[in-house]
Amino acid sequence: NAGVTQTPKFQVLKTGQSMTLQCAQDMNHEYMSWYRQDPGMGLRLIHYSVGAGITDQGEVPNGYNVSRSTTEDFPLRLLSAAPSQTSVYFCASSSLAAANTGELFFGEGSRLTVL
Amino acid sequence: AQSVAQPEDQVNVAEGNPLTVKCTYSVSGNPYLFWYVQYPNRGLQFLLKYITGDNLVKGSYGFEAEFNKSQTSFHLKKPSALVSDSALYFCAVREDSNYQLIWGAGTKLIIKP
Repeated sequence: NAGVTQTPKFQVLKTGQSMTLQCAQDMNHEYMSWYRQDPGMGLRLIHYSVGAGITDQGEVPNGYNVSRSTTEDFPLRLLSAAPSQTSVYFCASSSLAAANTGELFFGEGSRLTVL
Repeated sequence: AQSVAQPEDQVNVAEGNPLTVKCTYSVSGNPYLFWYVQYPNRGLQFLLKYITGDNLVKGSYGFEAEFNKSQTSFHLKKPSALVSDSALYFCAVREDSNYQLIWGAGTKLIIKP
């Protein structure tokens, strides 16, 4: 029972490099989202999707791209990494009904450091 | 604008004692309120929610939370703390007309044997 799987768990980048954080879920959830978690702050929503082919911006979308070509996968792309993007990134998924009431399933996180 | 405040960065409780983790919120419409727990190096796990109905909500692992509309609070409680309850706890809110969750900064709960 894999749930929400994020890869990689750790990554170090240099400023200006690009990379993709992968997120996959095996629960047939329509809703998927990406958050970043920074010390002393709550989670902040980056992008979310309510189904294949549908994405929308969250609170802090700048510097990140997403796509949703399948129900299972929701990759997060950093186009040109900046030190301000050093953070822990969480992917979360849910059925639309559960997402509407705030019940999300989270992956274990990806810790990104940008030098 | 919606907001959530968790006024305590850390709460220390002796094992077996009752615990309370505080949360206050601000929304313009009817609130949906949530508590999540994060164990070290893990993702967040849903604990409980308040949507409507009884002000006392029961959730996972023996936790409960009390919704107080007049004080705009949603404090997390447990009658008898366990060492295994030590974790980071997050309160979140959304309006009934808005899809997105707004999160508090988190409270570190430490239960000492």
